Amino acid sequence: RKEVEQDPGPFNVPEGATVAFNCTYSNSASQSFFWYRQDCRKEPKLLMSVYSSGNEDGRFTAQLNRASQYISLLIRDSKLSDSATYLCVVKRGGGSQGNLIFGKGTKLSVKP
Amino acid sequence: DAMVIQNPRYQVTQFGKPVTLSCSQTLNHNVMYWYQQKSSQAPKLLFHYYDKDFNNEADTPDNFQSRRPNTSFCFLDIRSPGLGDAAMYLCATSGARKETQYFGPGTRLLVL
Repeated sequence: RKEVEQDPGPFNVPEGATVAFNCTYSNSASQSFFWYRQDCRKEPKLLMSVYSSGNEDGRFTAQLNRASQYISLLIRDSKLSDSATYLCVVKRGGGSQGNLIFGKGTKLSVKP
Repeated sequence: DAMVIQNPRYQVTQFGKPVTLSCSQTLNHNVMYWYQQKSSQAPKLLFHYYDKDFNNEADTPDNFQSRRPNTSFCFLDIRSPGLGDAAMYLCATSGARKETQYFGPGTRLLVL
């Protein structure tokens, strides 16, 4: 079983739609959680960190359920520019211990 | 404004011919990472340097080596590239807590 698992998609949605991505992680020692965005043939870039209480950044909302080892990302009012692959990322260990573990990503395509 | 720079952006090499990819950073970060990413796959960590300390991942083939002569530069050496080594190679940096990572634009390697 992969340490970080995501639905690979693709998710094809019209502009303005709300779309949700799910992610599960297997290592209960994971300490920090992130969503990265990767455009086609480009490098990953941090979209947002995920906090235990849930957090929002504009149209993006991230949730974490430690008991279920589950992370989600909700995108409201999708824009064409949201088309990308969204990578779920967890960090094992706190501080300087552990490295980031990347999921394979969920591909989103927003259509006019 | 470039923070993590990778050269070259595209590299073509021959089967078995040694190749070196380079990465430099202007962030003065403690940690520099090398990832391999193949199409539709998660970035796979090969190794990282925490300052001068080299940390190899257990499943990284011996064919891959790295050097970090100073804080700003890090190199990936592939001693005898095989066809299966064709991929995007991503360099990233982070601060001491190893959380948010900043990626370079990547070097796309083609092995003929």
